[in-house]
Amino acid sequence: QSVLTQPPSVSAAPGQKVTISCSGSTSNIENNHVSWYQRLPGAAPKLLIYDNHKRPSGIPDRFSGSKSGASATLGITGLQTGDEADYYCGTWDSSLSAVVFGGGTQLTVL
Amino acid sequence: EVQLVQSGVEVKKPGESLKISCKVSGYTFNSHWIGWVRQMPGKGLEWMGVIYPGDSDTRYNPSFQGQVTITADKSISTAYLQWSSLKASDTAMYYCARNQKMWIPGGNYYYYMDDWGNGTAVTVSS
Repeated sequence: QSVLTQPPSVSAAPGQKVTISCSGSTSNIENNHVSWYQRLPGAAPKLLIYDNHKRPSGIPDRFSGSKSGASATLGITGLQTGDEADYYCGTWDSSLSAVVFGGGTQLTVL
Repeated sequence: EVQLVQSGVEVKKPGESLKISCKVSGYTFNSHWIGWVRQMPGKGLEWMGVIYPGDSDTRYNPSFQGQVTITADKSISTAYLQWSSLKASDTAMYYCARNQKMWIPGGNYYYYMDDWGNGTAVTVSS
């Protein structure tokens, strides 16, 4: 059971938009910043979003992040088949004194 | 270009010891936290802990404290994860990752992982 809660899967058609939610609590998301990671099949995770909404260089603006209270959301627009991957949210949990991740969301681009 | 190159696949027996490595290039090894993330088969990511090579300050996820040891050798820009006695439940993919430690208003801080190694698959089976 992960500390952060994500939907196990989401799906959408190519070109459409999808959002992935990440729900936490006052000990993690509400009082901290969130990062998001993409793990393509057979590859290492890759940072997509940090500081709730910032994108590292090289990450297209089709990817966006937001946070409100104890929840965060990853948005992906203009879906491509190459976006099919597992997506994870992460943040610091002050009660556990550790980085915690969501259980991951598998994105299918139909 | 930042690169984190991990050691290869390991197949071990329960009770054996193991040390896997992560060699870094493209940035100042001593000045950034580097840590390890576990992914068990079919499961999500788990942050194991980090080390600051500059002064060897090490922070463990309490879930992994005492189970593994994280070290770093500044002279060869390499981080290590080691076990003294492996269990079957240690079977997983292990990723090293550079961690950025960020302070936020209110005195809190958090880590995010901005560069990742290619992963080391560890299988523990009798």
